[in-house]
Amino acid sequence: EVQLVQSGAEVKKPGESLKISCTGSGYKFSGYWIGWVRQMPGKGLEWVAIIYPDDSDNRYSPAFEGHVTISADKSISTAYLEWSSLKASDTAIYYCARQGRTVPTLRTLDFGLWGQGTLVTVSS
Amino acid sequence: QSVPTQPPSASGTPGQRVTISCSGSSSNIGSNTVNWYQQLPGTAPKLLMYRDIYRPSGVPDRFSGSKSGTSASLAISGLQSEDEADYYCSSWDDSLDGWVFGGGTKVTVL
Repeated sequence: EVQLVQSGAEVKKPGESLKISCTGSGYKFSGYWIGWVRQMPGKGLEWVAIIYPDDSDNRYSPAFEGHVTISADKSISTAYLEWSSLKASDTAIYYCARQGRTVPTLRTLDFGLWGQGTLVTVSS
Repeated sequence: QSVPTQPPSASGTPGQRVTISCSGSSSNIGSNTVNWYQQLPGTAPKLLMYRDIYRPSGVPDRFSGSKSGTSASLAISGLQSEDEADYYCSSWDDSLDGWVFGGGTKVTVL
């Protein structure tokens, strides 16, 4: 079965670091773009970042660049999203989402496969 | 960069047709394709339509998409109770150099 499985819920304090993960199975992990999408409590979806695991080519939303780091380890089919210093405003569900189908350019990409989400709570 | 605008809510009775609009700009919908995502309560989003008008396998043909200029629409015909969900449009934005999502539309089946 083709799927993305994310790490479990986290409760952290402001200023702490965190790395959440997303493991793919049932497909060639290195050959598909995989991104992260944030959903704050009761709010809509926001694109955070995306990475191509084969060569680690990546892009960030300007709203998140400098605050999070995306990475991937293709040897264990896992993508990561990392914070070095969390803020209360980082409290949200973070979904990983994989490219759905082969596309000619990044701009035509759709997120056809989603993980179950990781709830990150940042509170003092 | 202009985030696409969606109505916050839409509703209909079973069997009715409901249409959700997504109004963008020349930097996103006006020059790139649109994808739609369905998020059932308490679950992860799911791809519903891609490249404006195409349905992934398994998505009922009750769902259809269209696009004209800087706006796109998702139509649900023969509304069913299981269609109660939040629906999001999304497109690449040339100014952002990344993806933007509309604010989402909550569909209620009366």
